[in-house]
Amino acid sequence: AQKITQTQPGMFVQEKEAVTLDCTYDTSDQSYGLFWYKQPSSGEMIFLIYQGSYDEQNATEGRYSLNFQKARKSANLVISASQLGDSAMYFCAMREYRSNDYKLSFGAGTTVTVRA
Amino acid sequence: DSGVTQTPKHLITATGQRVTLRCSPRSGDLSVYWYQQSLDQGLQFLIQYYNGEERAKGNILERFSAQQFPDLHSELNLSSLELGDSALYFCASSPPGTGNTIYFGEGSWLTVV
Repeated sequence: AQKITQTQPGMFVQEKEAVTLDCTYDTSDQSYGLFWYKQPSSGEMIFLIYQGSYDEQNATEGRYSLNFQKARKSANLVISASQLGDSAMYFCAMREYRSNDYKLSFGAGTTVTVRA
Repeated sequence: DSGVTQTPKHLITATGQRVTLRCSPRSGDLSVYWYQQSLDQGLQFLIQYYNGEERAKGNILERFSAQQFPDLHSELNLSSLELGDSALYFCASSPPGTGNTIYFGEGSWLTVV
């Protein structure tokens, strides 16, 4: 079964506007972590933000915030005040801590294009 | 700069050949993960090493192998290469424990012709 689902293959957003990228996850673990990564066209994977399953507050990192709704198993990324440099592929990923390996499982990604 | 170093950045090789991709993890990180990213398969977990020992195995082909050395750097060996092995190969590293940090290298672009 797919652990991470990102239903939006591509999105367009106007510069300076906010955009929300959807991510739902599937796990029976109580302890897990959710990550968002950015992959620009150059290919590198850039870590953006992390949310632990026991964190009560939504994570924020600069213009990035994570809207964590545990009961719905949802971990949406919000990018505020979009910039042209935000155009990239964005991946949601999960790490389950019950297993001993802590590897990341990734979604299919969402391509964001910021328009001037 | 994530602190994870991968070499080479780009590699073009012929079918049937063998290549070795190298990864140096962040200082202090004991875990190394290898991922393959292709257009049709997305990001696939291949294998993980922790302090020199294999910890988890994912969708890694038998033609592929990896190891982690005492200095914690890791190598991914790909042999009998096929056109379908063309992909971006990532190494990532993380420190011990259930922390919130897992950083990726810039990746190695492999093209098999």
